[in-house]
Amino acid sequence: DVKVTQSSRYLVKRTGEKVFLECVQDMDHENMFWYRQDPGLGLRLIYFSYDVKMKEKGDIPEGYSVSREKKERFSLILESASTNQTSMYLCASSPQGAPNTEAFFGQGTRLTVV
Amino acid sequence: AQSVTQLGSHVSVSEGALVLLRCNYSSSVPPYLFWYVQYPNQGLQLLLKYTSAATLVKGINGFEAEFKKSETSFHLTKPSAHMSDAAEYFCAVSDRNQFYFGTGTSLTVIP
Repeated sequence: DVKVTQSSRYLVKRTGEKVFLECVQDMDHENMFWYRQDPGLGLRLIYFSYDVKMKEKGDIPEGYSVSREKKERFSLILESASTNQTSMYLCASSPQGAPNTEAFFGQGTRLTVV
Repeated sequence: AQSVTQLGSHVSVSEGALVLLRCNYSSSVPPYLFWYVQYPNQGLQLLLKYTSAATLVKGINGFEAEFKKSETSFHLTKPSAHMSDAAEYFCAVSDRNQFYFGTGTSLTVIP
């Protein structure tokens, strides 16, 4: 069974902390994504990566950075967490060159910044 | 860029009634369309996808969707709602390795 695994289901962090959200996929997918989900706003793309060490900004990259040192792992970093980054974070992966193939999602990380 | 519009952020139906969730897309090329379901505090799970093989697509849990090019629509239906269908539903379109999601429709099933 294909899998995208996010390291934490729930996280509580303090304002100003550096936060790491980890995502690992076992499908050998080239593409990986980080989305943020907020009520009424749907899924908004933060960053995506189409290869190791490659990254592209999505719609809302401010306050975030990413790292992809290995194909299977894509990390989202909040350099200095703020309360407006309290949200549900979703990681996804998909194969390249297969446009009718869906994105596979992890279980999500619900982050609360206090 | 591609986009999808989901009409109705909240839909309520009685148990056993027809479920209809609307999705319209904008695409200048043949679209690749998906419906996902999200249960509380979970990730997104694929319900079905349009692959151009057939305009009526059947998915899991009794859901189906019909692709109508003339209306640029891909509405999701289920003949008889079940309590377990209560969830958030997202329509999405893919283009050049990117996915574009609608804002979601929250489905409530009334017993």
